[in-house]
Order: sequence, then C-alpha cells, then structure tokens
Amino acid sequence: GDSVTQMEGPVTLSEEAFLTINCTYTATGYPSLFWYVQYPGEGLQLLLKATKADDKGSNKGFEATYRKETTSFHLEKGSVQVSDSAVYFCAMPMNRDDKIIFGKGTRLHILP
Amino acid sequence: KAGVTQTPRYLIKTRGQQVTLSCSPISGHRSVSWYQQTPGQGLQFLFEYFSETQRNKGNFPGRFSGRQFSNSRSEMNVSTLELGDSALYLCASSLSETQYFGPGTRLLVL
Repeated sequence: GDSVTQMEGPVTLSEEAFLTINCTYTATGYPSLFWYVQYPGEGLQLLLKATKADDKGSNKGFEATYRKETTSFHLEKGSVQVSDSAVYFCAMPMNRDDKIIFGKGTRLHILP
Repeated sequence: KAGVTQTPRYLIKTRGQQVTLSCSPISGHRSVSWYQQTPGQGLQFLFEYFSETQRNKGNFPGRFSGRQFSNSRSEMNVSTLELGDSALYLCASSLSETQYFGPGTRLLVL
C-alpha cells in the first residue's frame, strides 16, 4: 500500500553545515509530496511541496526535488541555523479524499 | 485569513473522565482531520470529516469519536480516558490536498 519512509533521527549538526533528510515513498501514480516542520511547542507548518515529477519545492532556504525515478523527495539545506532545530515530516496524500500519510518525523538539532 | 484554532490549548483530566476538544478550521475549508501525536507513536491519524460526514478513520478504539458542524467546526471526544491517551491532539483543515494545522491541544491524563 501507499507509504512514506523517512530517515530516523535525531540528526545533530553544527551551524552552517549541509543538511539532507531522506524521504522515499510508495504510491500508485504520482501524488503531490510535502515537507512539514514542527517547531517546539507548536503544530505542523507546511514547509514546501511539489506537485509533479521533477518539480522543486523551496522555502526558507530548504529545497526538495520530486524524483520519480528514485521515488524520493529528500529535503536539503545548504547552511543550517540553530533556528532550524525542529521535527521534519515528509508527507503525501493517500488518495483524492485529502487523507495525508506522514512519515515518522526526523528530529533535527543544530548546535551553535 | 485566520488560521486553524484549537481550544483548549492545555487540559488535565483523570482516568475514566471524558474530554471534548474543539477545532475551528480556516474559513472556507470543509475538510477537518484529527491526529494524535505522542513521543512513542509519532503522528497518528484519527479521523477526517468533510461536509459533516466522517470520510476517513484511523485505527483507534471507539472511545475516540468526532463530529463536524454545518459551519465546518469540528469536535473530537474521548470517553473513559486512559493514561495512554496523554498526547498532543492536532487538528488540520484543508481545501484540497494541503493541510493547515492548528497549534494543538495538549492533554494530560492523570
């Protein structure tokens, strides 16, 4: 069945390091793909999305490219900041009725 | 536009009690989904309502129920609370496939 798999955390990096959080999916067809972020004590916020193959979503310095060939949507940032410390969720809609499948989340710690 | 609001933000209950949580979606959004988030299980889907009808349901016991009103506001109810129900309960509204989350209600069961 449809599923989203993302890398286990926690991920700990130093400020200004390069970040990659892996996400792969299994789906029938080509669904939209999302990254959500949850800062401490808050709900989830949409970080970026891509709606079709080869699309690149970007926001706040984060990028992710929809790779149909590898069924992946890895999140990247060239230079992380302490304020990027949060939990990141990869997600996709399961079908046309708006049910969303979320990955288990990856906790990111950025050290100053 | 105002975002998704959830009330109350924090709640403390004892085992055996029941609780009702409220969610007001973004104006114009007809779909409301509920999630339970715990450190051990992560983010788990509870149910989704669209135009006052439950359209999807997760794998939770019947103690968890919900409803949606004609103005799209939604409530979820948990009866006979257990210690394991302590969690952050998140509500999300959507117009299409992008979900917008509220800040959550943090429930502590003692």
